[in-house]
Amino acid sequence: ETGVTQTPRHLVMGMTNKKSLKCEQHLGHNAMYWYKQSAKKPLELMFVYSLEERVENNSVPSRFSPECPNSSHLFLHLHTLQPEDSALYLCASSQDGTGLVETQYFGPGTRLLVL
Amino acid sequence: QKEVEQNSGPLSVPEGAIASLNCTYSDRGSQSFFWYRQYSGKSPELIMSIYSNGDKEDGRFTAQLNKASQYVSLLIRDSQPSDSATYLCAVLGEGDYKLSFGAGTTVTVRA
Repeated sequence: ETGVTQTPRHLVMGMTNKKSLKCEQHLGHNAMYWYKQSAKKPLELMFVYSLEERVENNSVPSRFSPECPNSSHLFLHLHTLQPEDSALYLCASSQDGTGLVETQYFGPGTRLLVL
Repeated sequence: QKEVEQNSGPLSVPEGAIASLNCTYSDRGSQSFFWYRQYSGKSPELIMSIYSNGDKEDGRFTAQLNKASQYVSLLIRDSQPSDSATYLCAVLGEGDYKLSFGAGTTVTVRA
């Protein structure tokens, strides 16, 4: 098991609901990431935080709102999602988000179904 | 737009054989290359990283990098049923923090 945990592991929500995904890393890393993985598609980077500061917002719709209160925790707040947002949402962390030998470690993911 | 291309498979190999996976990338400035393994319903798990041209071996896995051809491969020797998974190629640009992933190659090792 990696040092990155995610909750919940599974989530079913309606299009009018508001929910949050949580990620916690126990590796002492300074950079954290949100990815979306849809069936048969490459992993899509959504957000990057380095030292609690957002350094990347990869053209993600505003119905996804990230929050990084400290270097160990990352949230993804969800509201008024669409059925096409159903996917596996993966959190990852790396040492500091820069450098040649950065390795990202992934959490187990949250399987999201939007009805 | 940085692109990473992989054959989607499935790649079916008999147990004990060599599985060969290929990956090409578009960004000539890319510096770091990774292979992740993802079992069905699980998250990606790093199995190999390579940064310089040539071969890098780790147990039954060998990564090969050719920057001139913008090509990176993964060989799995003595394939086992437990190697059945999707293998993701990921590329990191110079001074970059964004990994670009391929869509993955699904490998099935038949007993």
